[in-house]
Amino acid sequence: DIVMTQTPLSLSVTPGQPASISCKSSQSLLHSDGKTYLYWYLQKPGQPPQLLIYEVSNRFSGVPDRFSGSGSGTDFTLKISRVEAEDVGVYYCMQSIQLPFMYTFGQGTKLEIK
Amino acid sequence: QITLKESGPTLVKPTQTLTLTCTFSGFSLSTSGVGVGWIRQPPGKALEWLALIYWDDDKRYSPSLKSRLTITKDTSKNQVVLTMTNMDPVDTATYYCAHSRYYYDSSGYYVGSLGFDYWGQGTLVTVSS
Repeated sequence: DIVMTQTPLSLSVTPGQPASISCKSSQSLLHSDGKTYLYWYLQKPGQPPQLLIYEVSNRFSGVPDRFSGSGSGTDFTLKISRVEAEDVGVYYCMQSIQLPFMYTFGQGTKLEIK
Repeated sequence: QITLKESGPTLVKPTQTLTLTCTFSGFSLSTSGVGVGWIRQPPGKALEWLALIYWDDDKRYSPSLKSRLTITKDTSKNQVVLTMTNMDPVDTATYYCAHSRYYYDSSGYYVGSLGFDYWGQGTLVTVSS
């Protein structure tokens, strides 16, 4: 099974400062169709997860442009250019390439505001 | 506007079967590329994908839970039902249903997948005797 490993598990950021979260997969996420099915979600306190990024680097509708995703193969990064108070919560990466078909989430990274 | 809402028992006993219903609006599960999935989250822990059903009735299950899960859809009622047999206290979790969608180019060719783009609020299920 593919294992998704996020680092750090928690981070505390001053508003206005950047933040970066890493997600590493145990196998390449490059699909035979040429796409990479890596997603990023934010789960704010007491809420369901919300989609931020799909297919590595595409921002979902309504997601602020301070969020960006990058990476390839097994190494992926979510960056927040200037953290705001509303960005607190737990960030998860998710992959959907593995055969047999399944979705796998990382263990989550908790972002707090200093 | 896409919305999903989970419903079902809040408390089940060990060995019982859990039946959860996802009632949705704002989309049709007969539209090409659309799916509805179930994801759960034990208290204070990470997310775990359980199952997914597509518009064409293709069904996918988590390999580790496949023997215990059944997912079905009722397109006319805009509902997706998940059953999980032989419940155990470790199955205590918030269960979410979520919308999934492929996207296509102007010629109708598959381009990619949005993953789970809309989620319900979740329902907490406790397994205890």
